[in-house]
Amino acid sequence: DQQVKQNSPSLSVQEGRISILNCDYTNSMFDYFLWYKKYPAEGPTFLISISSIKDKNEDGRFTVFLNKSAKHLSLHIVPSQPGDSAVYFCAASVETSGSRLTFGEGTQLTVNP
Amino acid sequence: NAGVTQTPKFQVLKTGQSMTLQCAQDMNHEYMSWYRQDPGMGLRLIHYSVGAGITDQGEVPNGYNVSRSTTEDFPLRLLSAAPSQTSVYFCASSRGQGINSPLHFGNGTRLTVT
Repeated sequence: DQQVKQNSPSLSVQEGRISILNCDYTNSMFDYFLWYKKYPAEGPTFLISISSIKDKNEDGRFTVFLNKSAKHLSLHIVPSQPGDSAVYFCAASVETSGSRLTFGEGTQLTVNP
Repeated sequence: NAGVTQTPKFQVLKTGQSMTLQCAQDMNHEYMSWYRQDPGMGLRLIHYSVGAGITDQGEVPNGYNVSRSTTEDFPLRLLSAAPSQTSVYFCASSRGQGINSPLHFGNGTRLTVT
């Protein structure tokens, strides 16, 4: 039972354009969501997070949107850069369970120069 | 600052062999955990620890043991390796738990069981 799903295994965009990565979840108890970025042969690195009390969080070129009624979140990268090419994982947690994260399958983003 | 260090980077085992994957962090983090990453399945939690002497099971604990005798180290033991344990293993740590304490991951151990 995949509680966090990233339905697009891959996404390709042009440099300078917007990248939109999507994530859906089924567990209504999740109240804390994160995005991690992963380069080959490295571990995931934390990118941005959002609490369920918010619907948007920005950090530079990265913005995460949360739609609780649809159980959907998205990561927007504007403008996209070739160095953003990586696998992006969506993750979710119940705040009271601490750092026990449930991850999606990941989306490979390729930003073409 | 080394962060989270995992050894070895690669390992090949035969079915039935045992081994320990090492994980050490130098950030004085209380929380540590082990995940495995398999193709098309994301990362799944194996075991975690909220502090020295305290461990608990995650989503996929079968076939793995852990212990936490110090704050710094959190080894993962495979007592009798099986081909289903072929995976990439990531250790992670965080200062605390929750939204203000994101996990820091090591670079992984790629394990193949033949």
